[in-house]
Amino acid sequence: DADVTQTPRNRITKTGKRIMLECSQTKGHDRMYWYRQDPGLGLRLIYYSFDVKDINKGEISDGYSVSRQAQAKFSLSLESAIPNQTALYFCATATPTGTKYEQFFGPGTRLTVL
Amino acid sequence: DQQVKQNSPSLSVQEGRISILNCDYTNSMFDYFLWYKKYPAEGPTFLISISSIKDKNEDGRFTVFLNKSAKHLSLHIVPSQPGDSAVYFCAASVSGAGSYQLTFGKGTKLSVIP
Repeated sequence: DADVTQTPRNRITKTGKRIMLECSQTKGHDRMYWYRQDPGLGLRLIYYSFDVKDINKGEISDGYSVSRQAQAKFSLSLESAIPNQTALYFCATATPTGTKYEQFFGPGTRLTVL
Repeated sequence: DQQVKQNSPSLSVQEGRISILNCDYTNSMFDYFLWYKKYPAEGPTFLISISSIKDKNEDGRFTVFLNKSAKHLSLHIVPSQPGDSAVYFCAASVSGAGSYQLTFGKGTKLSVIP
């Protein structure tokens, strides 16, 4: 079983709709992250969370909100989707290991906003 | 302003030859660097990393070199194999920040030709 799972894997929605992307992990990590990837732009951080009570904005948080329902679950919401939010979205996890700063990524959700 | 730059969007290499992927950074606070590999329809996977206290780290066919004075790092793959064909992302972190936040470059698409 995958350590970091994302649902749905693909989603097509219309402008103005509310949509939620979900991420679950079985790695026991405390830190979780949401990124978006656009062609030619790499991965950009949307939000990150240290634990259930700690949520932080990333580089491009406008138009997005998140919820950390439990240590293992981190959801990303688009309150009113717009076409330029069409992108590939990735969830990632990490935990302090002293000297390593590796993040572990889910398989991604491809979101299309029409 | 882009803090992590991968100036080559793509690279083609013959099977068996060396692949060299380059990355430059501008933020002198970065002290930990990672390379991720991404296949289509999958999330990025960690490949290799290096701390700023080192100038080289090797793992099998993969070697990362760090030149702190030039703010430049490179990933060498020797020998290149067709299965290495993927998008490679360079990422950087400030280890003392505690967030384990990564800043990614835009990626370089490597094609290894059989």
